Amino acid sequence: DVKVTQSSRYLVKRTGEKVFLECVQDMDHENMFWYRQDPGLGLRLIYFSYDVKMKEKGDIPEGYSVSREKKERFSLILESASTNQTSMYLCASSSVPISGNTIYFGEGSWLTVV
Amino acid sequence: AQKITQTQPGMFVQEKEAVTLDCTYDTSDPSYGLFWYKQPSSGEMIFLIYQGSYDQQNATEGRYSLNFQKARKSANLVISASQLGDSAMYFCAMRDLLNSGNTPLVFGKGTRLSVIA
Repeated sequence: DVKVTQSSRYLVKRTGEKVFLECVQDMDHENMFWYRQDPGLGLRLIYFSYDVKMKEKGDIPEGYSVSREKKERFSLILESASTNQTSMYLCASSSVPISGNTIYFGEGSWLTVV
Repeated sequence: AQKITQTQPGMFVQEKEAVTLDCTYDTSDPSYGLFWYKQPSSGEMIFLIYQGSYDQQNATEGRYSLNFQKARKSANLVISASQLGDSAMYFCAMRDLLNSGNTPLVFGKGTRLSVIA
């Protein structure tokens, strides 16, 4: 059974803390993605990676960084958490698409910054 | 740049009735894929249905069908015989299929569907 696992389902962090959100996939996928989901705004892309040590900025990269040292793991880093980063974060991975659904999502991480 | 528009923030439907969730898209890419996802309150994204831009027939998956009108750039989701368990957020998304496949999904803002008994 294919799987994308996000390390933490619910987190509460203080303003200014450094926060790591981890995502691991077991499908040997080349591509991995981090999205942020907010009510009324849908899912917005933060960063994505199409290979180890490669990263591309998405639509809202400010305040975030990422790390992909191994193919199966893609980490989202909030260098100094702020209250406006309170949100739900979704990780996804995919193989190179030929057609059809080749994208798999994790269960999401609900982050609250106080 | 690609863009997805879902104009219905919320919809209500009576149980056992059919409902259409609207989605329009904008892209200059000749080859693309269109997706619909369901997100219940638990937060997981459940893939429902996929339509490729060159597919001749509308996609169907059980009670879900995608009304694909390429000239109008619309990809509406039709759910037949609604059930209480269909109450959820629904997202339309698209993806470029060229560019070596290294492209992310672009999402709409979603439609919250409520099924009434």
